Amino acid sequence: DAGITQSPRHKVTETGTPVTLRCHQTENHRYMYWYRQDPGHGLRLIHYSYGVKDTDKGEVSDGYSVSRSKTEDFLLTLESATSSQTSVYFCAIRNSGLQNTEAFFGQGTRLTVV
Amino acid sequence: AQKITQTQPGMFVQEKEAVTLDCTYDTSDPSYGLFWYKQPSSGEMIFLIYQGSYDQQNATEGRYSLNFQKARKSANLVISASQLGDSAMYFCAIIGNQGGKLIFGQGTELSVKP
Repeated sequence: DAGITQSPRHKVTETGTPVTLRCHQTENHRYMYWYRQDPGHGLRLIHYSYGVKDTDKGEVSDGYSVSRSKTEDFLLTLESATSSQTSVYFCAIRNSGLQNTEAFFGQGTRLTVV
Repeated sequence: AQKITQTQPGMFVQEKEAVTLDCTYDTSDPSYGLFWYKQPSSGEMIFLIYQGSYDQQNATEGRYSLNFQKARKSANLVISASQLGDSAMYFCAIIGNQGGKLIFGQGTELSVKP
């Protein structure tokens, strides 16, 4: 199994508070991704990274920021959480930019904003 | 930009029968890759099969095969001899020419009846 860990696994937070989710990998993979999963919407890409300090927006990036200061860590920050950001968040990693390289996923983080 | 559409929110299949899960895509990239993932109720994401846009043959992996029709921009997953353990959410995904952004569809929930 790919070494990818998300923390925390569950979090309840109040509207307006900042929240940071962490994705940690031990595989030295170049690409890292943050997705949110909501019923009826499937998995939607928030942001992804293609190297240290190299990130790009996904489909639903508003209200989220990311940082990658080390190869192994990719942080997702909700600057001011809203109830619409209640979701399950998945991190994924890929070894290379070759198209046939599959992504490996973390266990997910269930975030509830009250 | 890439887009994936899965039009079947839910499907039922009898155990031991074959089932086809639909996936259509849109991309302007001349070269791209298509993936299928399975998500059981436990939540983990499991890679099933990959198809490259220039692959001459349809991909197969055990009971999984991909019915790739490039002109119609469809990449349907065929599961032969369904098993109870195949009950899960199934996601189709696409990656484009640059090899970075990985976009998923809304998913199809498959239920296998005994």
